[in-house]
Amino acid sequence: QSALTQPASVSGSPGQSITISCTGTSSDVGGYNYVSWYQQHPGKAPKLMIYDVSNRPSGVSNRFSGSKSGNTASLAIAGLQAEDEADYYCSAYTSFTTPFVFGTGTKVTVL
Amino acid sequence: EVQLLESGGGLVQPGGSLRLSCAASGFTFRSYAMSWVRQAPGKGLEWVSGIRDAGGNTYYADSVKGRLTISRDNSKNTLYLQMSSLRAEDTAVYYCAKERGERELLGYFGSWGQGTLVTVSS
Repeated sequence: QSALTQPASVSGSPGQSITISCTGTSSDVGGYNYVSWYQQHPGKAPKLMIYDVSNRPSGVSNRFSGSKSGNTASLAIAGLQAEDEADYYCSAYTSFTTPFVFGTGTKVTVL
Repeated sequence: EVQLLESGGGLVQPGGSLRLSCAASGFTFRSYAMSWVRQAPGKGLEWVSGIRDAGGNTYYADSVKGRLTISRDNSKNTLYLQMSSLRAEDTAVYYCAKERGERELLGYFGSWGQGTLVTVSS
């Protein structure tokens, strides 16, 4: 079971919008709507930002949104802010013997 | 407020054993599935193991199967990870994570501990 594929880095200026992709297979991302996204600041524990592909937990800004098409899920961040600078990981349920898999991670830089 | 406090990390020699604990508070522990997620220094997240709310069903990543054992004591609100035959590649910060919804095991980790560092080295 390989990690889901994410771009190593994405950057944008304050106020811009960015999108992070997460590519898997029909046995994980494409096969189920159990996709989630996490934000992790340096030295901190991850924080759940999106679950069920596109749902936001209470307290998460509506600037964050999730979607999926085929074997690729995406996280969009609108109105980029300095505090959004962090690592982002996708995760998905899989039909493999390891039931959950994370993505490779994407470093978001606010220019 | 949900609190998860890991302990038990440290330096261990290759082939050695260690037991991690995660003390939970602020929620009905027995109603939630729990997992361990690790992060090697400078690397990404890796799900390691999960256990259902009642503890009857356990799940493992292929990379740790047969060497790590997850368990829980609902009377003590504590999650455990018994680690044996440790290898250098097991070096990581180990996080205890709580599922977002009751009785679910979907990999939606709504709460995390601060992590405990395990270093496997001679």
